[in-house]
Amino acid sequence: NAGVTQTPKFQVLKTGQSMTLQCAQDMNHNSMYWYRQDPGMGLRLIYYSASEGTTDKGEVPNGYNVSRLNKREFSLRLESAAPSQTSVYFCASRWTRSGPTGELFFGEGSRLTVL
Amino acid sequence: GQQVMQIPQYQHVQEGEDFTTYCNSSTTLSNIQWYKQRPGGHPVFLIQLVKSGEVKKQKRLTFQFGEAKKNSSLHITATQTTDVGTYFCAGPKDNYGQNFVFGPGTRLSVLP
Repeated sequence: NAGVTQTPKFQVLKTGQSMTLQCAQDMNHNSMYWYRQDPGMGLRLIYYSASEGTTDKGEVPNGYNVSRLNKREFSLRLESAAPSQTSVYFCASRWTRSGPTGELFFGEGSRLTVL
Repeated sequence: GQQVMQIPQYQHVQEGEDFTTYCNSSTTLSNIQWYKQRPGGHPVFLIQLVKSGEVKKQKRLTFQFGEAKKNSSLHITATQTTDVGTYFCAGPKDNYGQNFVFGPGTRLSVLP
């Protein structure tokens, strides 16, 4: 099983450019997440989707949009990239039928640099 | 809002020494999870604790959940170079559990 697959793994953008990070999971999980990781700040939630057709803001949603395309796919879009969005982005998924429990499965990450 | 803190931020140990990282939440948690991230890698789930006062062991790793369910610890006995990485604790932001809040992590270096 591939688990959680993210593309691209690396991307360099100029300020103002747009791009979409793609994420797909093959574990039939209902919940999917986008986190960003910056040095010394751990993982901060950008957006999440508890089920197909729903999305909710996390801790740091400004400057991002998301789409839960279907149960498998959850994309993150930067409409006008800014240097402050230079970060490593992780997609994650989990099965949440049982409520708060259930481990997160992470993709390998996408390293984004905005010049 | 809810905050999850971890100490220390960094820890350097000699191989064979013990290591402990502490996690504290500003609110009571229904459960707490621990993850490990190797340098250049992605976070990988280690364990979940649910019950007050719970203690779980995985080989040289011992995890504890506090009686008040607001703190937790991870203790590694006799560290090895394979233990290098950043250890994160995470707890659900609310009872629905959709939004997980991560601590800033403790980065462990093990000198051979």
